[in-house]
Amino acid sequence: GENVEQHPSTLSVQEGDSAVIKCTYSDSASNYFPWYKQELGKGPQLIIDIRSNVGEKKDQRIAVTLNKTAKHFSLHITETQPEDSAVYFCAAGGNNRLAFGKGNQVVVIP
Amino acid sequence: EAQVTQNPRYLITVTGKKLTVTCSQNMNHEYMSWYRQDPGLGLRQIYYSMNVEVTDKGDVPEGYKVSRKEKRNFPLILESPSPNQTSLYFCASTVKQGTEAFFGQGTRLTVV
Repeated sequence: GENVEQHPSTLSVQEGDSAVIKCTYSDSASNYFPWYKQELGKGPQLIIDIRSNVGEKKDQRIAVTLNKTAKHFSLHITETQPEDSAVYFCAAGGNNRLAFGKGNQVVVIP
Repeated sequence: EAQVTQNPRYLITVTGKKLTVTCSQNMNHEYMSWYRQDPGLGLRQIYYSMNVEVTDKGDVPEGYKVSRKEKRNFPLILESPSPNQTSLYFCASTVKQGTEAFFGQGTRLTVV
């Protein structure tokens, strides 16, 4: 089955700086790569996703890039704000089951 | 409002006492699943259901049961809970595989 590795496990950034979280996956058949944000006491919420026929996707301060050859994808958050502090999960899958990474704690320091 | 509702939000129980965590979605989604979240282990899938009366094991199904008698409901059953099932549980639903999953608010279960 699919195996997703997520790095780093914890990331601290100064407010206004950029944050990058990287994930690698193992199954070349995976074609759907979502990113979820989990705030304290809440369930994960989708913030952006990308499919295998696209290399990059942006939504305001958030972007995701996908390198299918290397089997890795990354979340980029620019101009970080305190409300970006949360746990971020990447996932990979598609027609098969979705596998999640272990999560990344992002702390934005004011 | 489109949502996935889990109950209860918090539950403390004793070893061996059967319990059920309910999950209901109002989006007419076919696909539903249960995850457990543990520190350092991320989200691990317990069971999933692709449609009514169709369920299958995820990555960590031992000690759990599910049923899908109606499209909107997908309860998680622990027949004989043990302390290693102390965890944060999430139910999720999606239109189909490969699309956005909507998560419930979570159920924090403690088994003593």
